[in-house]
Parts: sequence; structure tokens; C-alpha cells
Amino acid sequence: QKEVEQNSGPLSVPEGAIASLNCTYSDRVSQSFFWYRQYSGKSPELIMSIYSNGDKEDGRFTAQLNKASQYVSLLIRDSQPSDSATYLCAVERGNQFYFGTGTSLTVIP
Amino acid sequence: EPEVTQTPSHQVTQMGQEVILRCVPISNHLYFYWYRQILGQKVEFLVSFYNNEISEKSEIFDDQFSVERPDGSNFTLKIRSTKLEDSAMYFCASSEGGTGFFGSGTQLSVL
Repeated sequence: QKEVEQNSGPLSVPEGAIASLNCTYSDRVSQSFFWYRQYSGKSPELIMSIYSNGDKEDGRFTAQLNKASQYVSLLIRDSQPSDSATYLCAVERGNQFYFGTGTSLTVIP
Repeated sequence: EPEVTQTPSHQVTQMGQEVILRCVPISNHLYFYWYRQILGQKVEFLVSFYNNEISEKSEIFDDQFSVERPDGSNFTLKIRSTKLEDSAMYFCASSEGGTGFFGSGTQLSVL
């Protein structure tokens, strides 16, 4: 079983819509959760971190964590073409970090 | 804005040769990491480093790999005898805690 699973996509949304990205993880003792954005050929950029159950908002981004369901999601409101990228979910367990394969998002103008 | 700097951006080497990848983390960060990403695949954790020692390492980080912080600013990854399958983008990251901020990477090609 993979540590971190994400739908590879591609996910396409029209400009201005909400994009919803999902991630599940296998180990209940995972402690910290992160969303990264990676443009093609570039390094991952940290968008948000979340550590406790519930929602965390930062501008147009909202991360949601449900530890009971082992599920973390990222909502992007008012999606822009510049949001088109691969979104990586990462999970920390014991200072080791596990990344998903990423979801490719395309925002259509 | 502070950033993690990696050199070189590209490294080509022959199989069996040693390579050293260099990183300058963000200055007030205490945690340092190396990751790799084979083309088209996921980011893979290699090692974390804190307080001048390895805190965690993955199964990938075998005896061929080593890390060092030789002075107050540099953080290096050494691969002693490179294999073809070591070809990948290697990312350094640093943080005050968590996965951290990534450098732009070193593309390693083993021929």
C-alpha cells in the first residue's frame, strides 16, 4: 500500500472555479501534512502546512485535514491559469517525509 | 527573499565516479533535507539532518550516500560510486520544522 495516494488527474477547471485536490495516507501516526505546487521542470513550492483536524485558510487556498479518515485536501478558490501545475501532497511521519505522485491541474481561461 | 541555493544545476558523471552535490540552506534554518525526483516520478525523501547529525534516512540512502555540513553554511550530499539509476533531480530543502523550502535542484546524469 502506498504511503500517500493522489489522483494523478489531469483535473481541469474553468478560470474562476474552485479546484478540489484530494490525498489519502496510509499510516495513522502521520503527524504533519503539506501541500506543494510544482511547475514543470521546477522545484516544489510549499503552499500550506496543516497539523490538526479541520480547515486552514491562506488567501485563495484552504487545506482540510481529517485524521480519522486519513484524508487531506486542498481547495483553490477563484482558480487562475497561473495555478496550472502539479500539486503534491506530503506527509510527515517521524521526521521522514512521504510524497504522493501529484495531481495535475489545468485551469482553462 | 531568502532561498535555498544548490550547485551545480547540472552534473554529468560516469558510472562509478563520486559526485558531491552542494547546497546552501536558508541561514536561520535548523533542519536540512535531501530529496530526489526521477523524471516523471514522485519526490522521494533521502535524509534529514539536524544538530549536525542524520535524524532520519530512507531505504534509498544506503552506504553509497553520505551528507555533511562542513561549515556553517554548506550542506552536501556525496554519492561515492554512482550508478545509472542514480540519475535524477536532487533537491535540497531547509526549514525551521516540516518539509521545508526547496532549492532549484541539481540534475544528475550518470552515463
